[in-house]
Amino acid sequence: EPEVTQTPSHQVTQMGQEVILRCVPISNHLYFYWYRQILGQKVEFLVSFYNNEISEKSEIFDDQFSVERPDGSNFTLKIRSTKLEDSAMYFCASSEAGKITPSSYEQYFGPGTRLTVT
Amino acid sequence: AQKVTQAQTEISVVEKEDVTLDCVYETRDTTYYLFWYKQPPSGELVFLIRRNSFDEQNEISGRYSWNFQKSTSSFNFTITASQVVDSAVYFCALSGGISGNTGKLIFGQGTTLQVKP
Repeated sequence: EPEVTQTPSHQVTQMGQEVILRCVPISNHLYFYWYRQILGQKVEFLVSFYNNEISEKSEIFDDQFSVERPDGSNFTLKIRSTKLEDSAMYFCASSEAGKITPSSYEQYFGPGTRLTVT
Repeated sequence: AQKVTQAQTEISVVEKEDVTLDCVYETRDTTYYLFWYKQPPSGELVFLIRRNSFDEQNEISGRYSWNFQKSTSSFNFTITASQVVDSAVYFCALSGGISGNTGKLIFGQGTTLQVKP
């Protein structure tokens, strides 16, 4: 069964460093998402991406964050200068939604990347 | 604004007991979708069910059942004859609107279910 994959599973970085989290969505999916979950808290939406551009972003997704689909398979989240409060589990998700009613499609989540900023 | 509330932070039951997880949502959209996801101790998020706002029919899948009531803005989840493997955090989520909405999920705080043998 197709699945979303994410690498690395755990990333430790020092404050101020740049990190890139990588995701390979399910191959026929068109809508991609990043969410984060601070330990013990709820899952929070960061950004959605469709047709090679950001379709929506939350207030969390400030200028330190960027997303890219550099080729036909990978979907990356970059944090330019990490802060302690960026420590969280980051989930990538994809759905086969098109432009119309993306809300009606379930999203399939990857296993997550645990980011620890020291 | 859209919001999902899961008032139960933690529930502990003994195996074979039935348990209901509550979910209350707020939205101004007339078309919206509700979801339940399971997060086992391993951490991944597993999709369980999706319902749209026009379909209030209850659904049963094995030991799982869902009760959607628009009148009370609730989408509750019941596990019948719970098992230890049901121990997880369960999230209710909302996605709203028609064209123009990007499908982002608004999650509740989650309910941690512990099923003891």
